[in-house]
Amino acid sequence: NAGVMQNPRHLVRRRGQEARLRCSPMKGHSHVYWYRQLPEEGLKFMVYLQKENIIDESGMPKERFSAEFPKEGPSILRIQQVVRGDSAAYFCASSPERLNTEAFFGQGTRLTVV
Amino acid sequence: RKEVEQDPGPFNVPEGATVAFNCTYSNSASQSFFWYRQDCRKEPKLLMSVYSSGNEDGRFTAQLNRASQYISLLIRDSKLSDSATYLCVVNRGGATNKLIFGTGTLLAVQP
Repeated sequence: NAGVMQNPRHLVRRRGQEARLRCSPMKGHSHVYWYRQLPEEGLKFMVYLQKENIIDESGMPKERFSAEFPKEGPSILRIQQVVRGDSAAYFCASSPERLNTEAFFGQGTRLTVV
Repeated sequence: RKEVEQDPGPFNVPEGATVAFNCTYSNSASQSFFWYRQDCRKEPKLLMSVYSSGNEDGRFTAQLNRASQYISLLIRDSKLSDSATYLCVVNRGGATNKLIFGTGTLLAVQP
């Protein structure tokens, strides 16, 4: 049973470009979460999705950031017109259907904006 | 005030020492609680769940006090390999399954 898969592991973008981060949850998991970790800081919640639905996006910046989890395929975190301050590690986690459970993390995507 | 608060440390301890981490949470409706471990530049990994009755896994003991909204982790006989950041995590429960992370406590075990 493969774990949470994220790709790419490392992504370099120039200012103004778009970044697309992908996350495939563990088999049998229908909940996906995205977290951002800035250098030397803790994990900050961004968005919580179930298949085809955004459940909670209270941690997402209002502009340039969007997320989806389509019926088929991985969850995508999309950052448009990236700026230097977007440089961070972006972690995806997944959990099964039942509530009050732990989540399992992917290895993360390290985004560097140059 | 942060929803989950931890002492950031660092905690520098010798091998074999016992070390305790504390965590407080502000949302009294929180349903479930966990400790995660994060090694430098790696993803967080679940260390253990935390139950009101307290639970133990080898050298690790976790406690929850719902009345005080306080969670603890005790590590006995510290090993060099225990060096990492320990994250206190709270699941708000209800309609959302969102995990809220503390900023973590850094542990450095010295030889």
